[in-house]
Amino acid sequence: GQNIDQPTEMTATEGAIVQINCTYQTSGFNGLFWYQQHAGEAPTFLSYNVLDGLEEKGRFSSFLSRSKGYSYLLLKELQMKDSASYLCAVRDSNYQLIWGAGTKLIIKP
Amino acid sequence: GAVVSQHPSRVICKSGTSVKIECRSLDFQATTMFWYRQFPKQSLMLMATSNEGSKATYEQGVEKDKFLINHASLTLSTLTVTSAHPEDSSFYICSARDLLAGETDTQYFGPGTRLTVL
Repeated sequence: GQNIDQPTEMTATEGAIVQINCTYQTSGFNGLFWYQQHAGEAPTFLSYNVLDGLEEKGRFSSFLSRSKGYSYLLLKELQMKDSASYLCAVRDSNYQLIWGAGTKLIIKP
Repeated sequence: GAVVSQHPSRVICKSGTSVKIECRSLDFQATTMFWYRQFPKQSLMLMATSNEGSKATYEQGVEKDKFLINHASLTLSTLTVTSAHPEDSSFYICSARDLLAGETDTQYFGPGTRLTVL
């Protein structure tokens, strides 16, 4: 079956760095997405990886290793507004998005 | 980034009534739109894929006669929850795929509709 694993919850301190991991087992691979979702709101697009390596976009970076079925989202200089759920999603061979359950990130002052 | 709107943002209705939710891509054309529902503290669950000008493709376990989807144009898809019951109360979110996005082929989400059935 298809499966996306990410931690349920993480806690970090304002100004620090946090890494949210995502491992996947899917039928085929056509890209991996990270989305941010604040409580009661719809997800917003953060990043897209289809080749191995690191994609940097401001305070957020996303890494992909296709051979290991692994990705992480790195958030630097954490701000209180970064408190949200972070969803990992993989596009499979049928171009369907397979979603992880999300990682709730709690930022403490 | 691309903008997707949803209307209404929140609706409360009586059991047995029907509710229509609209999803619009405001600044791009979307041949494909997706409808999701999300329960509290749970991930998104794909309900159906809506293609402009053709019938929607429903995921297993989703009743197509209960959740009617119409995708009449490249910028509008509607979801109608017919004869709503309290168990249909959920957060319904649409997303649209940008026709011209190319390789990234990112889905952009609407703000969601909170449905409460009394």
